[in-house]
Amino acid sequence: QSVLTQPPSVSGAPGQRVTISCTGSSSNIGAGYDVHWYQQLPGTAPKLLIYTNNNRPSGVPDRFSGSKSGTSASLAVTGLQAEDEADYYCQSYDSSLSGSVFGGGTKLTVL
Amino acid sequence: QLQLRESGPGLVKPSETLSLTCTVSGGSISSSSYYWGWIRQPPGKGLEWIGTIYYSGSTYYSPSLKSRVTISIDTSKNQFSLKLSSVTAADTAVYYCARERRGYTYDFDYWGQGTLLTVSS
Repeated sequence: QSVLTQPPSVSGAPGQRVTISCTGSSSNIGAGYDVHWYQQLPGTAPKLLIYTNNNRPSGVPDRFSGSKSGTSASLAVTGLQAEDEADYYCQSYDSSLSGSVFGGGTKLTVL
Repeated sequence: QLQLRESGPGLVKPSETLSLTCTVSGGSISSSSYYWGWIRQPPGKGLEWIGTIYYSGSTYYSPSLKSRVTISIDTSKNQFSLKLSSVTAADTAVYYCARERRGYTYDFDYWGQGTLLTVSS
């Protein structure tokens, strides 16, 4: 059981918009710690997609955006493309663990 | 460009100690701005943080693994290492090393490609 909760799967047609939620608690997201998102393409290492809630590293398309409110965060993908099909993980810091916690991951399927 | 590469035996017997090394290139592991972490991913499952080390040797471990984990650093070789004792089949996973921006954003901005470690007799 992951400390951060994500839906196991989401799907959308090319061109559509999808969102992935990430729910935490008062010791991590709710305590004010930032949320980060990773994209893991099949057979590859995770790649930092969004950091500090809503910032994109260089090279990440602006179709990806993040938000955070209270004890939850969301990743939005607009203009879905086939290449977006991957697993997505949220991550934050947890003060009770003095370390990082991850969501269980969400598989995005492009129909 | 910073690169991280994990290396290890690939196969470990139950009850033995797993040892992995991460070699960092394209940057100094002694930088005061970054920490260095280990994350694992069992086959078909999600990511789990194992622990993190600073160039000074300060360590932070996941409470669930703390009794079995040791992370060390060798700044002269630009490497850091993971030891996990008394392994079982549940420790079979892809092990990743990554750079952590602890104290700043607390994210992992560079990752190694991962190494699969199988626990089996």
